[in-house]
Amino acid sequence: KAGVTQTPRYLIKTRGQQVTLSCSPISGHRSVSWYQQTPGQGLQFLFEYFSETQRNKGNFPGRFSGRQFSNSRSEMNVSTLELGDSALYLCASSLLDGTDTQYFGPGTRLTVL
Amino acid sequence: AQSVTQLDSQVPVFEEAPVELRCNYSSSVSVYLFWYVQYPNQGLQLLLKYLSGSTLVKGINGFEAEFNKSQTSFHLRKPSVHISDTAEYFCAVLSSSASKIIFGSGTRLSIRP
Repeated sequence: KAGVTQTPRYLIKTRGQQVTLSCSPISGHRSVSWYQQTPGQGLQFLFEYFSETQRNKGNFPGRFSGRQFSNSRSEMNVSTLELGDSALYLCASSLLDGTDTQYFGPGTRLTVL
Repeated sequence: AQSVTQLDSQVPVFEEAPVELRCNYSSSVSVYLFWYVQYPNQGLQLLLKYLSGSTLVKGINGFEAEFNKSQTSFHLRKPSVHISDTAEYFCAVLSSSASKIIFGSGTRLSIRP
């Protein structure tokens, strides 16, 4: 069974731009969660989608948004990029909910210049 | 509110020595606990999880952890480490009343030959 894939793996943007990251979950998984990982803040939960609906949301500004499609693929968008948005963005999929094992993708490394 | 503390940011050990990575959590309700490992330039991989039942949980790669409710701890142990165990380890908690997993700040395990 193929794992979680994330595209692109690396991205360089400048302040003020916007970016869209993509995540394809494991086949059959309906829950997709997004995390931001930085050296200073560690792993922080962004949001979770289940069956095309946002089920949970972390404490991030409205510039961070996401969506999930009917095939469970998910995208996250960050608008008006700031230097502090530079991070590794991880996507994880699971069958149903948080008690299920989450399977993580390799991440997208975003650098904002 | 739930929180998780990993007491050691770095743990150096010699190869074939035992290791314990400490994790304490706080939550006013029952919890689910997880340990994840992150190898360089990769996403996270689940090592083990405690949902209920036996307090001693065995995971992959020879790791185990013990849930101690009275001490609110979930320490990770391995009796004999290998060079390949060099990675960052994250403890995470999900309370039964919450909807998102909270990760600790991580412990970097470095193995000396």
